[in-house]
Amino acid sequence: GAVVSQHPSWVICKSGTSVKIECRSLDFQATTMFWYRQFPKQSLMLMATSNEGSKATYEQGVEKDKFLINHASLTLSTLTVTSAHPEDSSFYICSALRGNSGDSETQYFGPGTRLLVL
Amino acid sequence: GQNIDQPTEMTATEGAIVQINCTYQTSGFNGLFWYQQHAGEAPTFLSYNVLDGLEEKGRFSSFLSRSKGYSYLLLKELQMKDSASYLCAPMDSNYQLIWGAGTKLIIKP
Repeated sequence: GAVVSQHPSWVICKSGTSVKIECRSLDFQATTMFWYRQFPKQSLMLMATSNEGSKATYEQGVEKDKFLINHASLTLSTLTVTSAHPEDSSFYICSALRGNSGDSETQYFGPGTRLLVL
Repeated sequence: GQNIDQPTEMTATEGAIVQINCTYQTSGFNGLFWYQQHAGEAPTFLSYNVLDGLEEKGRFSSFLSRSKGYSYLLLKELQMKDSASYLCAPMDSNYQLIWGAGTKLIIKP
């Protein structure tokens, strides 16, 4: 089956530093990847849709200057949390869309990255 | 290990009822989510069960049996717009969602 990886799986950092999270589709090309955030005991919250070769589309309330997304290739999207603060501590999950169009599209999720900002 | 088992694909008729089953194995358990995902779109949240029993929300209901590691999503009065993938995602002891590939539901007129 399709595999999506995320790196790192755990990050602990000091307040004010920037953290980069990578999302890779290992055995397929993904023109679209999604970034989610999940707080404890809550559902996924979509942060942004990342499109290869173009700017990401951010959901309402998500600061694009704080959460920088780069989708430079068909297998890699990165999320950079700039100047992280304790309230940014969360579980960040990416997913990659397999297929170009039509009913055969399936979204495969990465295992997530847990961020703790001290 | 942690595992989710759902049928890959199901077909149903418009106006009918369909039940999507999910069995799971996780390290600890903190509830189970069901998501709906239309082709090309991000998943949308449908339900969350943490206690045994049936939770009803309009045309959709979700059931949980923790002792059996089993859940199902029941969809009534099916509409064409219900054609989508349905993801069962239990939450483990670290509050991490464990994802399966989901069930693709095809609705026929």
